[in-house]
Amino acid sequence: QVQLVESGGGLVKPGGSLRLSCAASGFTFGDYDVSWIRQAPGKGLEWVSYIRRSYNTVYYADSVKGRFTISRDDAKNSLYLQMNSLRAEDTAVYYCARVNFYDSRSFDYWGQGTLLTVSS
Amino acid sequence: DIQMTQSPSSVSASVGDRVTITCRASQGISSWLAWYQQKPGKAPKLLIYAASSLQGGVPSRFRGSGSATLFTLTISGLQPEDFATYFCQQAYTFPWTFGQGTKVEVK
Repeated sequence: QVQLVESGGGLVKPGGSLRLSCAASGFTFGDYDVSWIRQAPGKGLEWVSYIRRSYNTVYYADSVKGRFTISRDDAKNSLYLQMNSLRAEDTAVYYCARVNFYDSRSFDYWGQGTLLTVSS
Repeated sequence: DIQMTQSPSSVSASVGDRVTITCRASQGISSWLAWYQQKPGKAPKLLIYAASSLQGGVPSRFRGSGSATLFTLTISGLQPEDFATYFCQQAYTFPWTFGQGTKVEVK
């Protein structure tokens, strides 16, 4: 079955860096576009970044552009999010999600999320 | 950026009720809209994609409709497991954006 498992979250000081990982299984990872989406505590969903299956096309939310970098390693069935210059407002549960093959726009599978807390 | 506005923010309903949630886009997004259900402490679950296509395994009591700027999610015959928060998401253009959510609560 399709599984996405995030890891790497934790407590980081403002200005610090962290890399999130998402391990995919149960499908051919290289055939799918994938994204990171986050949810601040008690808040709604915010799309963060997207990487196409050809991984030469990436997009970012304005709130993270220039600070976060999305990447993928299809040989390792893994998605990454390198986060630099972290701010308190980056505190959230970070989900990786697979883009739906049928419309290439929605997210049909999500991981369980990993919590990032940015605090001094 | 395209703003997605959901209404109402919350709705109180009983089992068996029909519930309608509206999502309005700040500009036309064709049919590039999805609906998700989220329960506390869990990841969102895709219900509807392309405005009206039912995701596999989702009960047929969930129906999506609309196009351009106005979309609705209708739950016909609310079941106990449907009490949750629902989000719409546009994917017409980057940055993809979500509505603020609608919480369906027990009346």
